[in-house]
Amino acid sequence: AQKITQTQPGMFVQEKEAVTLDCTYDTSDQSYGLFWYKQPSSGEMIFLIYQGSYDEQNATEGRYSLNFQKASKSANLVISASQLGDSAMYFCAMREGKDSNYQLIWGAGTKLIIKP
Amino acid sequence: NAGVTQTPKFRVLKTGQSMTLLCAQDMNHEYMYWYRQDPGMGLRLIHYSVGEGTTAKGEVPDGYNVSRLKKQNFLLGLESAAPSQTSVYFCASSYSRGQETQYFGPGTRLLVL
Repeated sequence: AQKITQTQPGMFVQEKEAVTLDCTYDTSDQSYGLFWYKQPSSGEMIFLIYQGSYDEQNATEGRYSLNFQKASKSANLVISASQLGDSAMYFCAMREGKDSNYQLIWGAGTKLIIKP
Repeated sequence: NAGVTQTPKFRVLKTGQSMTLLCAQDMNHEYMYWYRQDPGMGLRLIHYSVGEGTTAKGEVPDGYNVSRLKKQNFLLGLESAAPSQTSVYFCASSYSRGQETQYFGPGTRLLVL
């Protein structure tokens, strides 16, 4: 079974609009972490935002916020006021607890294209 | 700080050849990881290391070996390359299991003919 599911293979969004990238996860651990990374066409992986399972508030980093819904096991990335430079692949990843030795499990990614 | 660096950036191998990918980090991180990225898929963990002199298998370890003789370096070896190992390889590091963020190198593109 997929542990991280990103249901949107690709998205087109108009510049300056907000965009939500979906991520659902599956774990039986109580302690876990959720990450979003950005991969531009140049290929590097850039860390964007992190949410811990015990964090009471949704994580925010500048224009990025993570809409964490623990009950429904979703961790959607919200980008406000999108820019052309936001065009990239976006990956959701999960770190489970100590039994998994803290390995990251990755989704297949969403390709986001910002239209001018 | 250079962060995480990888050499080479690109390599073409013939089936059966061997090679070593080098990853180096200057952040004094304990944990290091090797991933592969294939089209349409997320990253998959090949091997990882929780400290100098230690290594462990990840999700897809077959056909690869690793060594961590120095804290700052993590080597990934392919003893007998196969076309199925054509991929982009990423190295990453993190301070410890308590430090959440993994920092990535720029990747190595490997083509096995």
